[in-house]
This record gives sequence, structure tokens and C-alpha cells, in this order.
Amino acid sequence: EVLLLESGGGLVQPGGSLRLSCAASGFTFRSYALSWVRQAPGKGLEWISTLSGSGSTAYYTDSVRDRFTISRDNSKDTLYLQMNSLRAEDTAIYYCAKDRSNAGAPFDYWGQGTLVTVSS
Amino acid sequence: DIQMTQSPSSLSASVGDRVTITCRASQFISSYLNWYQHKSGKAPKLLIYDASALQSGVPSRFSGSESGPDFTLTINSLQPEDFATYYCQQSYSSPWTFGQGTKVEV
Repeated sequence: EVLLLESGGGLVQPGGSLRLSCAASGFTFRSYALSWVRQAPGKGLEWISTLSGSGSTAYYTDSVRDRFTISRDNSKDTLYLQMNSLRAEDTAIYYCAKDRSNAGAPFDYWGQGTLVTVSS
Repeated sequence: DIQMTQSPSSLSASVGDRVTITCRASQFISSYLNWYQHKSGKAPKLLIYDASALQSGVPSRFSGSESGPDFTLTINSLQPEDFATYYCQQSYSSPWTFGQGTKVEV
């Protein structure tokens, strides 16, 4: 059974940093791209970043490029999202999602999400 | 960026109804269109990928189709567990954008 478990969310002040983690199990971790998708309060789903299975190629949406960094540790089956210079508009539930194959493939499994609140 | 436009934004339906949701892309996306179901507080669920392929484990009452620039998600014989928000998403080019969602309500 594929499982994705996010952690690391919480309350942070504007301009602060947070690191999210996504622990995976039930599949060959290094063989699949993984992504982060978020949902702001009252809004729809927004893709924000994807990392290839090898970790060599990363993709970002413009609104987080240069502030967020996606990474993975294939020895620990864990995906990360380092979030710096956080803004109020980054407040959202952050979901980890497994790509069906390579980067850009549909997201076939999702975690339950972790809430990030950016507020003073 | 490719903009995905869903219609309607919300709809009211009853158990047993046939429901259709439409999605249109602002640019050519071939058949790289996916549909997700999302219930509040739960993990989103992939229903249909590549416009018409049924994800493993998804009931056959869900189907996807395409006609020209329009993509359609159809739910035949709506069940109580199908009341949720549905999103389309293009996987043709980055950024991999979602539609704004369609809420299916009683």
C-alpha cells in the first residue's frame, strides 16, 4: 500500500522559514517523481513543485521559485520542501503527491496534507 | 501558463443522477488531462488520467472523454460518496495547472 505522510507544518511569521517532510512507503521511491501541491483556505488546488526520481531535475511554479527548494533523500524515502521568505499568501494545506511515472505525470497518490499558517 | 477553465463552478444533484463536468484548456494539451476528486480534510484522489483512462480502483460509473478543446468528466448514477469537489489538471507542460474546481452538492 502506497503511503505518503507529511509533517513539519505550523505557524510561522511572515519572512520566516519552514521545512516540510513527506515520508513515503509502499513503492520504489527512487523510481518516481514526487510533487508538492497546496490548497489555500477557500481556494482550489495549486501545483507548486516537482522533483524527478533521481533528484536531478526540479520544477517550480513562478510564485515560489527562488523562495522554496524541493529535495529528496532516496536513502530515507523522504521528500522535502524548504520554504523561505514566507508570505501570508503561502498559508495553505500542503500535500505531497506521487507522480504516476516521470515528472509531469498525473498524481496518483496523495498524502493527507500538513497545514502551514503564515501570520504575525 | 496554460489556464484550465471548469464549468460549472458548482452544481446540485441527487443520488442516481448523471453528472457532467466540463474543462477547457487555453492552449493545446493533447490528451494530457486528468480528473481528481477531493473531499474536505481528505487526500485528493486521481479518477481519470490521459483524458479517458480509469485509474485502478475507481468505480466504472466515472468516465472521461474529450471532444475538440473540451474535456468531460461524467458520473453515472451519482452515489452518496460522490458528493465532493472535482478538479481537472493538465499534465502537458509545466506549470501543471488545475481548474478552479466544481463542487457537487446535494
